[in-house]
Amino acid sequence: QSALTQPASVSGSPGQSIAISCIGTSSDVGGYNYVSWYQHHPGKAPKLMIYDVSNRPSGVSNRFSGSKSGNTASLTISGLQAEDEADYYCSSYTSSSTRVFGGGTKLTVL
Amino acid sequence: QVQLVQSGSELKKPGASVKVSCKASGYTFTTYAINWVRQAPGQGLEWMGWINTKTGNPTYAQDFTGRFFVSLDTSVSTAYLQISSLEAEDTAVYYCARAFGSGNFDYWGQGTLVTVSS
Repeated sequence: QSALTQPASVSGSPGQSIAISCIGTSSDVGGYNYVSWYQHHPGKAPKLMIYDVSNRPSGVSNRFSGSKSGNTASLTISGLQAEDEADYYCSSYTSSSTRVFGGGTKLTVL
Repeated sequence: QVQLVQSGSELKKPGASVKVSCKASGYTFTTYAINWVRQAPGQGLEWMGWINTKTGNPTYAQDFTGRFFVSLDTSVSTAYLQISSLEAEDTAVYYCARAFGSGNFDYWGQGTLVTVSS
C-alpha cells in the first residue's frame, strides 16, 4: 500500500486560510468516506483533527474543516494562528481493511 | 480520563528483540482497537497494524510482517509490540493509538523511542 500524496510544505500568514491536499486512489481515499487528519507537533503525540472526511472531534476548533472530491481529500485551516504551525498527516481506510498515512505536510505560519 | 502510557526508551543491538508496552486506562479496554504507528527519524507516520482487543486478532501492514508481533494482556489492559531481529532501520519512535470507527485514532500514547545501534 503506497503512502497517500501530500505536499511537503505549505505556508500562510496569520489570519489567512490554507488547504492541504491528500491524493489517493479509488482503493483508499476515493473508495470510502474514512479519511482522517492529524496535527503533529514534534516531540508530542499526534492529535486527531478531522475524522470520516469532515467530522471534528469535540474540542477541535471549527477553524479546521475537511472535505473530499474523488480521490483527493483536503484539510482547510482558516484564520491561521501561530499555534497551527505543525506537521499534518492524512490517513485513509483501504480496500485491504488496513490504514495508510500520507507523507505529511509541514505547515509554516509566516 | 483516557490515557495510553507506553514503556520507556530502549537501546538495543542489531539482532536483538524489543517489546514495547501500551497500558490503557480510563475506559473499557476491549471496547476499542489498538493500533501501532512508527515514525523513523526525519520521516512521516507509518501505520504498522492493529489488534482487535475483543478477539486478540492482529492485522499487519504489508511492510510490517514477519518480525513484528502485536499482542494483548486484557487482564492488565495492556497491548504489546514486539520486534525481533532488530535492524538499524528499526530505529524510530513507536506510538500506540486507540481507534474508533474505521480507524480514527483519538488517543495516543506518548511514544517510545527504540534505538538500534551496535
